[in-house]
Amino acid sequence: NAGVMQNPRHLVRRRGQEARLRCSPMKGHSHVYWYRQLPEEGLKFMVYLQKENIIDESGMPKERFSAEFPKEGPSILRIQQVVRGDSAAYFCASSPGEKTQYFGPGTRLLVL
Amino acid sequence: AQSVAQPEDQVNVAEGNPLTVKCTYSVSGNPYLFWYVQYPNRGLQFLLKYITGDNLVKGSYGFEAEFNKSQTSFHLKKPSALVSDSALYFCAVRPGPSGGYQKVTFGTGTKLQVIP
Repeated sequence: NAGVMQNPRHLVRRRGQEARLRCSPMKGHSHVYWYRQLPEEGLKFMVYLQKENIIDESGMPKERFSAEFPKEGPSILRIQQVVRGDSAAYFCASSPGEKTQYFGPGTRLLVL
Repeated sequence: AQSVAQPEDQVNVAEGNPLTVKCTYSVSGNPYLFWYVQYPNRGLQFLLKYITGDNLVKGSYGFEAEFNKSQTSFHLKKPSALVSDSALYFCAVRPGPSGGYQKVTFGTGTKLQVIP
């Protein structure tokens, strides 16, 4: 059973470009969570999704950030018009219900 | 609002010595508690969890944690540290079963350095 998969593992964007981060949950998991980890900081919750529904987006910045988890395919975290402050590691986690979350390897975004 | 405190940014311990990484929490009702470990440039790996039952929980790689309700703590322990245990450790909490969605809150992490 493959773990949570994220791609790309590393992403470089110039200011103003768009970043798309993908997350494929573990098989059988229908709950997906996105977190952001800034250098030397802890893990900050961004959004929690179930298939086709956003359950909690209280940690998402109001502008430029969006997330989806379609019926088919991976969950996508989209950052429009990236700025240098968006440089961080973005982690996805999945769970079969609402207990233990299992994390992917992360996508490290660098904005030049 | 629920919260998790990891009071030590870094813990240094000599190889072979026992280690403790501290965690205290604040949550309404009975908690679900978790420990994760993060190695450099990797994602978080689940170590162990407390849901209910025995206050001493055993997890991966020889780690264990003790739930102390009166002190609202869930300290991570290992009897004999290995150099390979050097990593960043996160404690997390969420409220227990309530029939609905409950957010997991993570601590800020504690860097464990095991010295050869």
